[in-house]
Amino acid sequence: LAKTTQPISMDSYEGQEVNITCSHNNIATNDYITWYQQFPSQGPRFIIQGYKTKVTNEVASLFIPADRKSSTLSLPRVSLSDTAVYYCLVGDIGKLIFGQGTELSVKP
Amino acid sequence: EAQVTQNPRYLITVTGKKLTVTCSQNMNHEYMSWYRQDPGLGLRQIYYSMNVEVTDKGDVPEGYKVSRKEKRNFPLILESPSPNQTSLYFCASSRQGHFNSNQPQHFGDGTRLSIL
Repeated sequence: LAKTTQPISMDSYEGQEVNITCSHNNIATNDYITWYQQFPSQGPRFIIQGYKTKVTNEVASLFIPADRKSSTLSLPRVSLSDTAVYYCLVGDIGKLIFGQGTELSVKP
Repeated sequence: EAQVTQNPRYLITVTGKKLTVTCSQNMNHEYMSWYRQDPGLGLRQIYYSMNVEVTDKGDVPEGYKVSRKEKRNFPLILESPSPNQTSLYFCASSRQGHFNSNQPQHFGDGTRLSIL
């Protein structure tokens, strides 16, 4: 099972782009990379998922290098409401291991 | 509305008194899972189920039981709760993807358990 490592915390200001990198050196061939967002007292919410290269949706982009040993979640022009904990998850559909998450604080 | 429903949302109980936390999803998902969340430790998987009558241990299964008799329900059972099981618990469900793809999970709102 691929273990993930993320920064414990990050600070940013409104309007900036935020990049959160996750390391997953033992990623398996069939593993996908998924990012979740969690607000206090709520369950995690799906943000984006990818397998390789770049994936973009309406809220974020996910960059995955060719070796897939890391991934970077990019949040464009963050706002105060993006203050949350962000989790990177790597694994197959069965046993899943979340990392400790990155606590993002967005300041005015 | 597609959702994962957990009950109760909050529970304070005493050591040794059996309790069950229910989880129900209305999305016809094959995969369901239970997590506990503790400060500084993130989310840790307790048990998961790939489909009806199929359950497997996650990372921290000790002290817990689960069952999957119906597709929509996945209760978490604490036969003899202890204070170290005081935690925030989340149930999640997802479709089962192809080639082991990790289909996005839908999470419930959580159950806060306090074992005295």
